[in-house]
This record gives sequence, structure tokens and C-alpha cells, in this order.
Amino acid sequence: KQEVTQIPAALSVPEGENLVLNCSFTDSAIYNLQWFRQDPGKGLTSLLLIQSSQREQTSGRLNASLDKSSGRSTLYIAASQPGDSATYLCAVTETGANNLFFGTGTRLTVIP
Amino acid sequence: SAVISQKPSRDICQRGTSLTIQCQVDSQVTMMFWYRQQPGQSLTLIATANQGSEATYESGFVIDKFPISRPNLTFSTLTVSNMSPEDSSIYLCSVGGREKLFFGSGTQLSVL
Repeated sequence: KQEVTQIPAALSVPEGENLVLNCSFTDSAIYNLQWFRQDPGKGLTSLLLIQSSQREQTSGRLNASLDKSSGRSTLYIAASQPGDSATYLCAVTETGANNLFFGTGTRLTVIP
Repeated sequence: SAVISQKPSRDICQRGTSLTIQCQVDSQVTMMFWYRQQPGQSLTLIATANQGSEATYESGFVIDKFPISRPNLTFSTLTVSNMSPEDSSIYLCSVGGREKLFFGSGTQLSVL
């Protein structure tokens, strides 16, 4: 069964710092990988989606990379802002399935 | 994109009672998904609800405990039956597919 792990579980950084969140998965037969942001009382918002054939995706200050063979993905956030404070979740979709397997998330706090 | 309205946003319930969570989408969708997020845990898929057929439940979840209705292409309900404190979680509905998932704001359930 696919297992998705995120490290660290929590992270605090001063405003303006660049940071990296890590995600690893056990089965490399994935269809895609997504990064989500979860805000209390607001559900989940999809940030970036990387297809299995892609290496990275960028959106504004966010850059996500994927190394399928090693079962790893990173989410890079440049010039962090207090508004980036949230829980970040990665999730993988396996080939031939609709189900997403979620990691437990990294709770990010950006200190003004 | 899809806008999902989920209610209630939170509830506190007594042991042994049932709660029905509603999910309304602003467009017609084929599949709707119900997830559970236990405290400190990742999201776990409960079931997939297709209009006009019985929901498909994931391992560890049964219809008697989590009955689901899907009367049309824009609406679904999830009932948490005969609740116990272990059912205290966030419940989320989502729509979409492997390329993109949209989530409701979630229902924070506490069972006393």
C-alpha cells in the first residue's frame, strides 16, 4: 500500500526566508503528485500538480519538483510571507486509480 | 474549477447519535469523494459516490456506518451513524478527478 511521508511535521521561519518542504512516497508507480494547502475552516486548495513524466512545476513563488524513481518531491517557497502560514499536504495518485494518498502534512508558520 | 458548499462547518454531537453532512457543488460532476481527516493524521478516502449507483467504500469503511446518498449530479450527503468519540474528525467532500481535485471547507465533528 502506498505510504506518503512529509518531513518536517512543523516548520517556523522568519518572513522573507526561502524554504523547502519534503514529501516521499513508497511506490513509484504514480500517475501524478499534487501539493495542497490547507487552511483551518477553508478546506484544501490545490497548489501545483506534477504529472509522472514531469520533473517540476512552478507557480509564482512556488516550485515543486518530482523525482519519481527515488520517490521524492519537494515544494520550494521563495521569499516566504506570513500569508503562507498553513498546512501543506502532498498527495499521489497511483496509475490506474482515482484515489489520492495524502501525507500527514507540514504545518508552516511564517513569523513577521 | 468547482465551488463546493459543505455544511455544517462544525458540530458537537453526543455518543450514539448520527450526523448528516451535506455537500453541494455549483456544477454537475460525475464523481464525488468523501474523506476523513483524523486529528494529526492524513486524509483518508472513505468512499466514492457516483450518481445513480451505490457508493464504493474503501477498506475499513462500511455502508452501515457511513451511508452516502447521491441523488443528483450536484449533491451528496454523508451520514456518520451511531457515533463514538473515535469518529471525531474533519470530514471533507471533494470533486474532480486525477487531474484536479476541489475540496469543500470541511466539517469539524466532535463526539462527546
